[in-house]
Amino acid sequence: DVKVTQSSRYLVKRTGEKVFLECVQDMDHENMFWYRQDPGLGLRLIYFSYDVKMKEKGDIPEGYSVSREKKERFSLILESASTNQTSMYLCASGYRVTTEAFFGQGTRLTVV
Amino acid sequence: GENVEQHPSTLSVQEGDSAVIKCTYSDSASNYFPWYKQELGKRPQLIIDIRSNVGEKKDQRIAVTLNKTAKHFSLHITETQPEDSAVYFCAAPWGAGSYQLTFGKGTKLSVIP
Repeated sequence: DVKVTQSSRYLVKRTGEKVFLECVQDMDHENMFWYRQDPGLGLRLIYFSYDVKMKEKGDIPEGYSVSREKKERFSLILESASTNQTSMYLCASGYRVTTEAFFGQGTRLTVV
Repeated sequence: GENVEQHPSTLSVQEGDSAVIKCTYSDSASNYFPWYKQELGKRPQLIIDIRSNVGEKKDQRIAVTLNKTAKHFSLHITETQPEDSAVYFCAAPWGAGSYQLTFGKGTKLSVIP
């Protein structure tokens, strides 16, 4: 069974804090993704990575950065959290974009 | 990037009826079209996908059709059951060889017993 695990299910952070969201997959997938899910807006891609140390911006990268130092781990960083970053964050991984993407359980982040 | 439009945003059907969700995409080079189901409080999971070299694919009560000329694809659920109630997302990659998968905004399907 493929496992994509996100480090936290719920997080509450203060405005201006630096926030780290961690994602680990155990299937040796090349591709990893970070999505943000908001009601009525679907899944919007923040960043993705197709190899270790490689990253590409998605549709809404502003205010975020990522790190992929090891193949199994992909981190999303909010440099200075703001209230408009309150959202559900979903990590996913897959062999290629044309194969199944496996999602983590999500992290509901609240910025106060 | 790829633009994926999904309709309707909400859909209510009586148990046993059929449900159809439609998506359009903008990049004619897109060649893979998956559908994901997200039950309340759970992660999205792939339920069916289709590649550009076929026009239709079925898996029990679920089918997906693809019209490459018109650049749209549809999810068909027959004999709906209460457990089909969920949010459904379509997706398409941003062109051949792309690493980016763009999702539609989702359709909330409610099956009324």
